[in-house]
Amino acid sequence: GQQLNQSPQSMFIQEGEDVSMNCTSSSIFNTWLWYKQEPGEGPVLLIALYKAGELTSNGRLTAQFGITRKDSFLNISASIPSDVGIYFCAGLRLGGSNYKLTFGKGTLLTVNP
Amino acid sequence: GAVVSQHPSWVICKSGTSVKIECRSLDFQATTMFWYRQFPKQSLMLMATSNEGSKATYEQGVEKDKFLINHASLTLSTLTVTSAHPEDSSFYICSNSRGTGGPDTQYFGPGTRLTVL
Repeated sequence: GQQLNQSPQSMFIQEGEDVSMNCTSSSIFNTWLWYKQEPGEGPVLLIALYKAGELTSNGRLTAQFGITRKDSFLNISASIPSDVGIYFCAGLRLGGSNYKLTFGKGTLLTVNP
Repeated sequence: GAVVSQHPSWVICKSGTSVKIECRSLDFQATTMFWYRQFPKQSLMLMATSNEGSKATYEQGVEKDKFLINHASLTLSTLTVTSAHPEDSSFYICSNSRGTGGPDTQYFGPGTRLTVL
């Protein structure tokens, strides 16, 4: 099936540093989404991007929908310890009569206080 | 965001038994529900999509006779893992959508950890 290439796989940073992660795909998606998942929990939506080229912020998070509709990046500024978790990108496209989400493999973020 | 619950949050069972996992939409009517499986340190993989009142649509490679999905109402979907085996041990997550799962986004449940001994 479809796969998204998400990088990096993991990051170890100091509190206060900025973080950047990205996803690429060989296929076009209608919508790009970024989720955060903490241990033993389901993913929580952080940012949704609906238009190619769109740049959207949510607090310290900023994400962009690539102009080719095949990529997206997420930046976290001034990281804090509670940013720890796994960040997933996801592409949304119509498949049959329903939309379907395809997830990247995740970026594990560790923030050292 | 919308509230989605799953029950149980974790379950341990013996090989060969069947396990039912419930997914409830608590504050809206979910036309479409999705079931995902996540192995340790892996991504979420879509297993099946179910629309209320109709049969579920399974992704390629997912055995419909092994993973029975019932979406009997707009607020409840169940996933039954029949004759579970250790390789079925995984984190099962549902998500609900008011529509077809489109740009109005899906709302995820907290997941169910299944361990088959």
